[in-house]
Amino acid sequence: DAKTTQPNSMESNEEEPVHLPCNHSTISGTDYIHWYRQLPSQGPEYVIHGLTSNVNNRMASLAIAEDRKSSTLILHRATLRDAAVYYCILPQGGNMLTFGGGTRLMVKP
Amino acid sequence: DSGVTQTPKHLITATGQRVTLRCSPRSGDLSVYWYQQSLDQGLQFLIQYYNGEERAKGNILERFSAQQFPDLHSELNLSSLELGDSALYFCASSVDPESSYNEQFFGPGTRLTVL
Repeated sequence: DAKTTQPNSMESNEEEPVHLPCNHSTISGTDYIHWYRQLPSQGPEYVIHGLTSNVNNRMASLAIAEDRKSSTLILHRATLRDAAVYYCILPQGGNMLTFGGGTRLMVKP
Repeated sequence: DSGVTQTPKHLITATGQRVTLRCSPRSGDLSVYWYQQSLDQGLQFLIQYYNGEERAKGNILERFSAQQFPDLHSELNLSSLELGDSALYFCASSVDPESSYNEQFFGPGTRLTVL
């Protein structure tokens, strides 16, 4: 299974952009890159996904490296409500999600 | 609100007992997934059902079982409970389990405490 590597934690100031990196050097050509987040005391929440091209939605942007061995989740203006654990995942057969440790994002006012 | 419901929210029971956790997927979703989140193991995939049939198994103990009913709701049965089974149990649903570009929608979870 393709694995992902993320920093354990990151800090950001409120209303500033945040770039959350993810390395997935063993990604296969058909693996999608998904991002989920888990806010305190809640279930995981889908954020965004992509295959090759950069993607934008109302929550975030996903920048995918040309060789697809890494990606970056971009929150354009972090708010206190964005404080969460962010998981970068490559779903495997049957859309099974394997959660690693993720990146704990702390947002300072 | 993801549209996935789970009951009960909290469950406190004793070692050796059996409990049933219930999940209703989002309207239109055919696939249900169960995950366990404990402090020492993180979020782990347990089992997946699609349209009533078991589709994939993860790190699910033999003491645990699940099923998906014709109305697509699912139940996770945990028996001979041990202290280490205390955890948050999440259910998620998706439209098509074969496609890895379909997102999963998670419920609020059931917090199980085994005393």
